[in-house]
Amino acid sequence: DIVMTQYPDSLAVSLGERATINCRSSQTIFLNTNNKLNLTWFQQKPGQPPKKLIDWASSRESGVPARFSGSGSGADFTLTISSLLAEDVAIYYCHQYYSVPYTFGQGTKLEIK
Amino acid sequence: QVHLQESGPGVVKPSGTLSLTCAVSGDSVTSNHWWSWVRQSPKKGLEWIGRIYHVGGGSYNPSLESRVTMSVDRSKNEISLTVTSVTVADTAVYYCVRDFGDNWGRGTLVLVSS
Repeated sequence: DIVMTQYPDSLAVSLGERATINCRSSQTIFLNTNNKLNLTWFQQKPGQPPKKLIDWASSRESGVPARFSGSGSGADFTLTISSLLAEDVAIYYCHQYYSVPYTFGQGTKLEIK
Repeated sequence: QVHLQESGPGVVKPSGTLSLTCAVSGDSVTSNHWWSWVRQSPKKGLEWIGRIYHVGGGSYNPSLESRVTMSVDRSKNEISLTVTSVTVADTAVYYCVRDFGDNWGRGTLVLVSS
């Protein structure tokens, strides 16, 4: 199985400041057939299902604010929130769908400092 | 706008069988999409269970494969999940998901308890 490891486990950032969440996969998740990284970022708020923010490691989903961005290559990935809003308090997960079984990171809890 | 609604028994006895359905609206289960189940528990976090396509084919998490069956009911426009020989470790919120997380149901809590 591909192990997805996120760091830090929790993060406290001041409103308006940048938040950076990292994710590392135990092997590369680059799919040669379409030259894409099979990596998704989800946001989950209490009592809600996860919501997809970023696909293909860096492609923002429709309707997701521009302050959210994804980057990375090979096995190291980053989710960045450029200017934190109170509504961004949530748990964030990375997810690989490169190979079965698809797996998720353990989650990073983002709070306001 | 696709809507997924999970339903199930809520409580299942140990060694019993867990059966869930996912009612799909705003889309057809025979459309060009994969249908998956994901569960979430405090101990294991988010865990992918498996996926299915309406014309056959699919895959299960090897850790669950011997106990899991997924199926598509075209007449009811539903997806179903069955997990046999459940233990307390199967206690979780179970989500129905379209494709690779594009759409999720609200989830249904299943408690394995005697």
